[in-house]
Amino acid sequence: EDKVVQSPLSLVVHEGDTVTLNCSYEVTNFRSLLWYKQEKKAPTFLFMLTSSGIEKKSGRLSSILDKKELFSILNITATQTGDSAVYLCAVITMGNTPLVFGKGTRLSVIA
Amino acid sequence: DTEVTQTPKHLVMGMTNKKSLKCEQHMGHRAMYWYKQKAKKPPELMFVYSYEKLSINESVPSRFSPECPNSSLLNLHLHALQPEDSALYLCASSQGRQSSGNTIYFGEGSWLTVV
Repeated sequence: EDKVVQSPLSLVVHEGDTVTLNCSYEVTNFRSLLWYKQEKKAPTFLFMLTSSGIEKKSGRLSSILDKKELFSILNITATQTGDSAVYLCAVITMGNTPLVFGKGTRLSVIA
Repeated sequence: DTEVTQTPKHLVMGMTNKKSLKCEQHMGHRAMYWYKQKAKKPPELMFVYSYEKLSINESVPSRFSPECPNSSLLNLHLHALQPEDSALYLCASSQGRQSSGNTIYFGEGSWLTVV
């Protein structure tokens, strides 16, 4: 059975801290890995990673994929209270289920 | 801003009511999805339409009935729901078939409460 595991499940940091969120996966026929940010509404797309070792960056957020060790990390530097959200990792496979989600990491950034 | 639009944003319905959730996208995407999300859980897949044909039905009860009138629209018809069906219902779309590795974009969701 395809599986995506995120850690930690929750995290509380102070503004200005740097955080690293982890996502490991065990799936058959991996295609891509996606990171989403979810506040009170729908998940908002952050990154799609398909190749190992290529860092994707967007402002203070960055992410990288390791297809040999089957994991990805999402880094957030100089965190702000607006970064407080659930961060979802999902894997696209060639199987029937289009997206296999992890349970998410709930990040709380306190002033 | 998301280009997947869902209506209504909030819906309260009784267990004997019939209502519909609507979803629209104008990105030319050919795959559309319904997900259900309960509090503090990740989204769970319900249905996938690929090129306007139902390609996946994840053993969803028949009180949920999807419909894809054309490539831009996706409906979810609701009838005789139970209180445990209360959740956030998310519509999503992607460029092509789900296995092609395309990014899946979500709408803002419809919050459904069944009383």
